[in-house]
Amino acid sequence: DSGVTQTPKHLITATGQRVTLRCSPRSGDLSVYWYQQSLDQGLQFLIQYYNGEERAKGNILERFSAQQFPDLHSELNLSSLELGDSALYFCASSKRTSGGGTYEQYFGPGTRLTVT
Amino acid sequence: DAKTTQPNSMESNEEEPVHLPCNHSTISGTDYIHWYRQLPSQGPEYVIHGLTSNVNNRMASLAIAEDRKSSTLILHRATLRDAAVYYCILRDVRDDKIIFGKGTRLHILP
Repeated sequence: DSGVTQTPKHLITATGQRVTLRCSPRSGDLSVYWYQQSLDQGLQFLIQYYNGEERAKGNILERFSAQQFPDLHSELNLSSLELGDSALYFCASSKRTSGGGTYEQYFGPGTRLTVT
Repeated sequence: DAKTTQPNSMESNEEEPVHLPCNHSTISGTDYIHWYRQLPSQGPEYVIHGLTSNVNNRMASLAIAEDRKSSTLILHRATLRDAAVYYCILRDVRDDKIIFGKGTRLHILP
């Protein structure tokens, strides 16, 4: 158990809909990261928040957005869903205060999104 | 981002040591070498990381070549539970995100 929790575990929805994925980081971790894992693209970094502020962006679509709340939990919002958005979405957290590359990230169990 | 090259898959026998190679010929002085693994149906799991010197922890050892252009993750005694995809990743000291490659799928034979 990494200490990172994600809800829900599974989500099935229809094209065009909007969903929200939730992540609670490990106690004391200020940074939250979102990753998408699909069969054809592998694991891809989407976005990072540090203490409530967006810190880095990766291959995140404009239809997707995220935020980190004062209690440090984070939500990933996916809208106008398409079939190709079906994937595993992982959240990770780290203590990172500086020198990000030196800190390990702890991953949650993921949310499996199926768009039909 | 500097790239890494790993074999697509490897096999090893249970209870034997496993050496997983990684080439990173374009590594820069500020790149840390990280290893993560992903067990079936789970999120990635941190294994080990290092900069220049060899590193040991309870999970594995990391052997880094003197020129830092390659490294080897060593599992000292493989178990069936070690069957996973192992990712070798370079992370700049200033960069928080992880860029995953395709990794090496490790099969453990009983």
